[in-house]
Amino acid sequence: SAVISQKPSRDICQRGTSLTIQCQVDSQVTMMFWYRQQPGQSLTLIATANQGSEATYESGFVIDKFPISRPNLTFSTLTVSNMSPEDSSIYLCSVVVTGVSKQFFGPGTRLTVL
Amino acid sequence: KQEVTQIPAALSVPEGENLVLNCSFTDSAIYNLQWFRQDPGKGLTSLLLIQSSQREQTSGRLNASLDKSSGRSTLYIAASQPGDSATYLCAVEGSNYQLIWGAGTKLIIKP
Repeated sequence: SAVISQKPSRDICQRGTSLTIQCQVDSQVTMMFWYRQQPGQSLTLIATANQGSEATYESGFVIDKFPISRPNLTFSTLTVSNMSPEDSSIYLCSVVVTGVSKQFFGPGTRLTVL
Repeated sequence: KQEVTQIPAALSVPEGENLVLNCSFTDSAIYNLQWFRQDPGKGLTSLLLIQSSQREQTSGRLNASLDKSSGRSTLYIAASQPGDSATYLCAVEGSNYQLIWGAGTKLIIKP
């Protein structure tokens, strides 16, 4: 398994500002993902965080709005830029551990945009 | 495009009952199917993973089945307890480890 931490666990932000969420894993992982869970909704994949290269974004998500970094195998950041109330969600990172087929999830970051 | 549906959206039952949660998916070309539990203010906990070649998996009071041909999975919870109250999510894995999620079933077990 993998132990995943996310910072911050929650935040309340003003419209127009940006927030960077960190995801740290205690072991080297094959893949890292970022998900969004809007209130009352299920999870939606934002992007795959690629180590040392640009993230791969899903339809409806763009790099200018959600820039992602993954400088090494155990760490990634997701920035929510120019926030609006519609960005209020839980943001989760997940990982696939080398040799283990299932995904593990971080505790999530609960973001409220006023 | 894969779509995952969970029925019911919410369920409230007395403690001790056995119950079944349902998950259906539209594309049978999956690598595996997972059931997760989500507690308020906490992250996701993986409960059971069924590989595409398997029919079921069991863990304690939980049993998950998979019928790929019909695009269905069920999560059976035996002898339910108040601590089982949570939202249960199913997700199917396609290519590149990407998970497609159902909307979840919110389960309340009444003492």
